[in-house]
Amino acid sequence: GQQVMQIPQYQHVQEGEDFTTYCNSSTTLSNIQWYKQRPGGHPVFLIQLVKSGEVKKQKRLTFQFGEAKKNSSLHITATQTTDVGTYFCAGRKDSNYQLIWGAGTKLIIKP
Amino acid sequence: DGGITQSPKYLFRKEGQNVTLSCEQNLNHDAMYWYRQDPGQGLRLIYYSQIVNDFQKGDIAEGYSVSREKKESFPLTVTSAQKNPTAFYLCASSYSLRTGNYGYTFGSGTRLTVV
Repeated sequence: GQQVMQIPQYQHVQEGEDFTTYCNSSTTLSNIQWYKQRPGGHPVFLIQLVKSGEVKKQKRLTFQFGEAKKNSSLHITATQTTDVGTYFCAGRKDSNYQLIWGAGTKLIIKP
Repeated sequence: DGGITQSPKYLFRKEGQNVTLSCEQNLNHDAMYWYRQDPGQGLRLIYYSQIVNDFQKGDIAEGYSVSREKKESFPLTVTSAQKNPTAFYLCASSYSLRTGNYGYTFGSGTRLTVV
């Protein structure tokens, strides 16, 4: 079945460093969503990307959707302790409206 | 404030028991979902419902059952046939299966442990 591969599984950064997580699909997606799950919490919707090559920003977070609509990335500039958590991507095919979830990237801030 | 309420927050099940997890939403969403999350892993879809009195199996439906008698409620029963039920269970909802510009809203989850 279709999969959305998300890498890396973990990323350790010093506070103030940047963080990036990548998602890749084997097939074209109609849209892709990003969620954040704090430790012990539940996923919270961040954003949805729909257009080919779309770039959206939320303060220090930058979301991109690839030209072929098969890949996406989330980049956080100058990480803060409040950014700690697991970031998930979830894509949707045109013909199948179920979300297909990536496995998540856990952002860990080094003490 | 509108949202999704899951209860209980923690649940302990003995071997051979059926348990029911509650999920209630007051967002007027048509679609509701149940996911299972194991430590360090992503979300796996158990069941989903697009409308009252209708629901569909997800990727890991075996050992689980659901009902959707009211728009607001989508309870999940973990039956004794589910051999490894210890996990974090998340309920979610959306306006419809096609969410438009809106994502899923999740409840705070139920942690189920077999004792």
